[in-house]
Order: sequence, then structure tokens, then C-alpha cells
Amino acid sequence: RKEVEQDPGPFNVPEGATVAFNCTYSNSASQSFFWYRQDCRKEPKLLMSVYSSGNEDGRFTAQLNRASQYISLLIRDSKLSDSATYLCVVSLFNFGNEKLTFGTGTRLTIIP
Amino acid sequence: DTGVSQDPRHKITKRGQNVTFRCDPISEHNRLYWYRQTLGQGPEFLTYFQNEAQLEKSRLLSDRFSAERPKGSFSTLEIQRTEQGDSAMYLCASSSADQETQYFGPGTRLLVL
Repeated sequence: RKEVEQDPGPFNVPEGATVAFNCTYSNSASQSFFWYRQDCRKEPKLLMSVYSSGNEDGRFTAQLNRASQYISLLIRDSKLSDSATYLCVVSLFNFGNEKLTFGTGTRLTIIP
Repeated sequence: DTGVSQDPRHKITKRGQNVTFRCDPISEHNRLYWYRQTLGQGPEFLTYFQNEAQLEKSRLLSDRFSAERPKGSFSTLEIQRTEQGDSAMYLCASSSADQETQYFGPGTRLLVL
């Protein structure tokens, strides 16, 4: 079983729609959680950290369910510029400055 | 540009040759990481340094792979006797010890023929 599992997609979503991604992780000792964004043939970039209380950054909302070992990302009012691969990332450490374990990524295409 | 830089950006080599990649982290960052990414997969951790000390190595890092960070600044990743399975994007990232975010470089894309 992979340490971090994501639906690879692709998700093809019309502009303005709401889209949700899910991710599960296998190691219950995981301490920190992130969503990274990766554009085609580019490097990954941190989108947001994920906290147990849930957190929101503009149109993006991330949730963590430790009991179910489940992480989600919700994108509201999707824009063409949101087209990218979204990587679910976990770490065994309290900060993101240790070894990161990535999922395979979920590919999102926003359709005009 | 004050981001993470990697050189070369692309490398094509023949099987059995040795290759070396360089990473220059963001100047004030004391942590440096190497990851490998193949098509359709997320990045996989290879190794990381705090200053010049190599703190962790993945089982993916076979004895053909060696990484160094001799002065705690730039790092090199060498692959000896390359195999076709080594073809991948090699990503370098850096962070400071008190920072949550790893900043990735543009990667070196390796193709082994």
C-alpha cells in the first residue's frame, strides 16, 4: 500500500465550478500535512498547510481528519489558472522541513 | 533570482556513464533536499542535509548514488554507471530549520539511453 494515496484523475471541471480532492495516508504517526501544486513541467510549490481545525486561503479550503487519516482540498469558483497537478504531502515531523512523502498527484484541468 | 537553482536543466547520457548534478539553495537556508520524480508520480525523497551533514538517506539511494554538500552551501548528486531506470527529474529543495516550507528548484531532467 502506498504511503499517500490520491485519485490521479484527470478531473475536467468547468470554470466557476467547485472541485474537491481527497487523499489518504497510511502512517498514523504522520504529524504535518500539506497540499503542493505542480504546473506542467515545473517544480512543486506549497499551496497550503493542512491543520486539524481546517484552514482556508481565499478560494481554497483544506481539511484534515486524523481519525480517518484523510486529507481534503476544496477549490471554489475555479479559475483557468487553477489547472495543475495537486500533490498531497505528509511528513512524520512537526514541520515541513523534514522528509516529505508525496502522493502521485491529482491532475485538474479547468475548462472555459 | 534568489530561488533554488539547479544545473544542468537537462542531461542526456548513455547507459553506464557517470553524471553529476548541482544544486544551489536559497542562500540563508541550511537544509537541502534531493527528490526524484518520474512521469505520473509524485516526488520521492532521496536524501537531505543540514548544513554539511547528510542526515537521512532513502533506500532508493543505491550505492551508485552519492550526494555531498561539502561547505554547507551548494550540493552535488552523482550517479555512477547510470541505468535506464535512472531516467527521471531530479529535484532539489531547500528550507531553513525553523520554516515549514521547502522551496524547490526547477529540476534536472535526466534521460539515460
